[in-house]
Amino acid sequence: AQTVTQSQPEMSVQEAETVTLSCTYDTSENNYYLFWYKQPPSRQMILVIRQEAYKQQNATENRFSVNFQKAAKSFSLKISDSQLGDTAMYFCAFCLYSGAGSYQLTFGKGTKLSVIP
Amino acid sequence: DTGVSQDPRHKITKRGQNVTFRCDPISEHNRLYWYRQTLGQGPEFLTYFQNEAQLEKSRLLSDRFSAERPKGSFSTLEIQRTEQGDSAMYLCASSLAGGSPEQYFGPGTRLTVT
Repeated sequence: AQTVTQSQPEMSVQEAETVTLSCTYDTSENNYYLFWYKQPPSRQMILVIRQEAYKQQNATENRFSVNFQKAAKSFSLKISDSQLGDTAMYFCAFCLYSGAGSYQLTFGKGTKLSVIP
Repeated sequence: DTGVSQDPRHKITKRGQNVTFRCDPISEHNRLYWYRQTLGQGPEFLTYFQNEAQLEKSRLLSDRFSAERPKGSFSTLEIQRTEQGDSAMYLCASSLAGGSPEQYFGPGTRLTVT
């Protein structure tokens, strides 16, 4: 079974600064995906960024980028130029094809990020 | 709005009652997932449909839980004889088979069992 660990329950960052959220995972599989999802207060979960395990290049999406270290099983999220709208719970998720047709997500417990004006 | 929708958004019920939730996925998505999220935790997988076929169920899905997707479009999740431990957010997500594995989530149904 896969496990995902987010070791930072809460973090805060000043507006316009950069913050990095940590995520480690455990798997014996070689082909998988990793995601970061954002869950704003009382709002639905939104996909932030994805990374395919077979790609060495780190994914970027505007102000969001990842540092994917496959051997270390580490997948951190960097948010640059933090904005007040980035305040949310951030979940790291491991995704594996199950063989029965589904891509099952295994989530970490989340990191609550607060952006301070 | 063409995103995933869920109804109701909130449900309060007494222990022992039955409840049913509905999920409408993104229209062209044939994969549909149900998750449960308790306070302070990430979502946990419950069950998966491809079109109308329920192909996977988690061990978390006790026999009091049943899910259907009768025409391969919307899905329902029913909990019979609710218990206080069933209090949680129930999330639905959908994705496109043959496409990328990203799942798009609905706003969830928050269940409170008193």
